[in-house]
Amino acid sequence: GQNIDQPTEMTATEGAIVQINCTYQTSGFNGLFWYQQHAGEAPTFLSYNVLDGLEEKGRFSSFLSRSKGYSYLLLKELQMKDSASYLCAVRDQIGAGGYNKLIFGAGTRLAVHP
Amino acid sequence: SAVISQKPSRDICQRGTSLTIQCQVDSQVTMMFWYRQQPGQSLTLIATANQGSEATYESGFVIDKFPISRPNLTFSTLTVSNMSPEDSSIYLCSGGGLAEYNEQFFGPGTRLTVL
Repeated sequence: GQNIDQPTEMTATEGAIVQINCTYQTSGFNGLFWYQQHAGEAPTFLSYNVLDGLEEKGRFSSFLSRSKGYSYLLLKELQMKDSASYLCAVRDQIGAGGYNKLIFGAGTRLAVHP
Repeated sequence: SAVISQKPSRDICQRGTSLTIQCQVDSQVTMMFWYRQQPGQSLTLIATANQGSEATYESGFVIDKFPISRPNLTFSTLTVSNMSPEDSSIYLCSGGGLAEYNEQFFGPGTRLTVL
């Protein structure tokens, strides 16, 4: 079956660092995505990992270990505007016609406090 | 990156009626997808809109309830048919490229309330 797990909620302090973990078990794997979603808005693409290792993009970094079925999103120098839901999604390879669909985790609600 | 727009942004509909949601991408994309997001929950894939052929539906979703069109590489529609209050949700259109492309973008969503 398809399973993507991430913590439901996290809190952190402005200026701090927070790590959001994601573990997955899927039939296929063709990349892992992280999205940010503010309440009432569409998800915004943050990062994509398909090879093992760390991808850094400004204050945000994402790590992948395919052998462990594990990823994390690291947010540094937290700002109040980083309060949002963070969605982990795996691109699967199964499906009619061989299309690559995204399977989403339930999301992690991050609250950043002063 | 692709910019995706949706119409309408929100609607309030009566039980038993149907609503068609339009999705427009500002560039050609290989794949277009329709998702549903219930309040406080994550995204569930409804179907993949295939250009020139029938949409491919996920388990639990059927064509009679959610007919989809995709006449070209930049446009798609999703119809929510014979609506009930359980269909109240946010419907999101998404577009992306081939497997080697590393981004998939989302439209702003259509917030549907069924009375």
